[in-house]
Amino acid sequence: GENVEQHPSTLSVQEGDSAVIKCTYSDSASNYFPWYKQELGKGPQLIIDIRSNVGEKKDQRIAVTLNKTAKHFSLHITETQPEDSAVYFCAARHNAGGTSYGKLTFGQGTILTVHP
Amino acid sequence: KAGVTQTPRYLIKTRGQQVTLSCSPISGHRSVSWYQQTPGQGLQFLFEYFSETQRNKGNFPGRFSGRQFSNSRSEMNVSTLELGDSALYLCASSLDRGRVTEAFFGQGTRLTVV
Repeated sequence: GENVEQHPSTLSVQEGDSAVIKCTYSDSASNYFPWYKQELGKGPQLIIDIRSNVGEKKDQRIAVTLNKTAKHFSLHITETQPEDSAVYFCAARHNAGGTSYGKLTFGQGTILTVHP
Repeated sequence: KAGVTQTPRYLIKTRGQQVTLSCSPISGHRSVSWYQQTPGQGLQFLFEYFSETQRNKGNFPGRFSGRQFSNSRSEMNVSTLELGDSALYLCASSLDRGRVTEAFFGQGTRLTVV
């Protein structure tokens, strides 16, 4: 089955700096890669996603890149703010015609701390 | 537009008991998935329901079961609770129509088994 590795497990940055979180996946048939942000006491919130036919996607300060050949994808947050502090999860899904349907396989999470 | 609603938010149960958790998906969403979140194992897929049918299942024992009703609301049940079942149980709903497959999570139900 799919396996997703996420690094680093913790990341500490100063306000205004950039933060990068990286994930690798094992199943070459995975074709959908969302990122979630989870704050304390809350459920994961979808912040950005990318499909396998796209190499990069950007939404204001957040961007995601995908390298299908190397089977890795990354989350980039620019101009970080204290409210970006949370746990971030990457995930992968094999969607088309297989048996995985809606199943998401998650990375282990990255605790991001943005210091004012 | 209301999000995914999970009830109850918190539960304390005794080992050996059973528990039922409820999830109301976003209006119009047809797919409901359940995940278990623990500090040690992270987020793990339990099962997914679509049109009242379970169409995928994770690697959990048979004590974990679920169902989906005609209005897409879903319940999961855990029987003969063990201490290790203490976790945050998350439900995610998805429209799952064509290329629209984004999954949105509820706040979760925090289950503590004592």
